[in-house]
Amino acid sequence: EPEVTQTPSHQVTQMGQEVILRCVPISNHLYFYWYRQILGQKVEFLVSFYNNEISEKSEIFDDQFSVERPDGSNFTLKIRSTKLEDSAMYFCASSEGGLKDTQYFGPGTRLTVL
Amino acid sequence: AQRVTQPEKLLSVFKGAPVELKCNYSYSGSPELFWYVQYSRQRLQLLLRHISRESIKGFTADLNKGETSFHLKKPFAQEEDSAMYYCAPPGETSYDKVIFGPGTSLSVIP
Repeated sequence: EPEVTQTPSHQVTQMGQEVILRCVPISNHLYFYWYRQILGQKVEFLVSFYNNEISEKSEIFDDQFSVERPDGSNFTLKIRSTKLEDSAMYFCASSEGGLKDTQYFGPGTRLTVL
Repeated sequence: AQRVTQPEKLLSVFKGAPVELKCNYSYSGSPELFWYVQYSRQRLQLLLRHISRESIKGFTADLNKGETSFHLKKPFAQEEDSAMYYCAPPGETSYDKVIFGPGTSLSVIP
C-alpha cells in the first residue's frame, strides 16, 4: 500500500539556521498538508497546499515558513531562521481530493533546535 | 474560535470492558468529523469518519448535534486498542484543514 514518506526522521539544527523538511506524498494525491506537534501538546495545522499554491495557513505559519513542490513528487517545508520554539514533530499529509477524502500521514520528522 | 475538547487526557480500562472516548466541539456548520489514532511508534491514521458511518476495529462514533459531541465507543476493549486517540473536526471556515483535539491516551489493561 502506498505511504507518505518523510526525510529526515530526525533533524538537529542550531538556532537561526535554515532547515528543509522533505515529504513525498502518495503519487496520485493532489492535496498536501503540514502539521506540527510540540512535545506534550496537540497536533496543530500549519498549511495546506493545492494546485501549486497555499490554500490555507494557520497563524503559526508566519513569514519564516514556506512550502514548495519543487518537482512532481516532493513537498517541502522550509523554516528560514529556526527558533528554539520550532522544536517539534512535523507531519506531512496528503489526500486525493481535499478534506472529503482521508488524509494520509507520514511518520514525521523530529526537529530539534539547539 | 473553534474548539475541540477531549476531557480525558488518560483513560485506562480493563480488557473486555466498554470504552468511551469523549469529544466535544464548537462548530456552527454541519461538520464532517473524524477520529484519528496513533499506535505506539506508528503514524497517525484515520480511524473513522462520521460521514461514512462505518465501524472500524469495532469502534463507532455517533454525532450528537444537540450536545455537539462525537464520542468514540467500543463495546469490548482489546489490548491492541491501546493508543492515542484524536478527535478531529474540519476547520470552521474552510475544509482545507483538520483541527485536532488534544488527544486521549487509552490504555487497555490485560
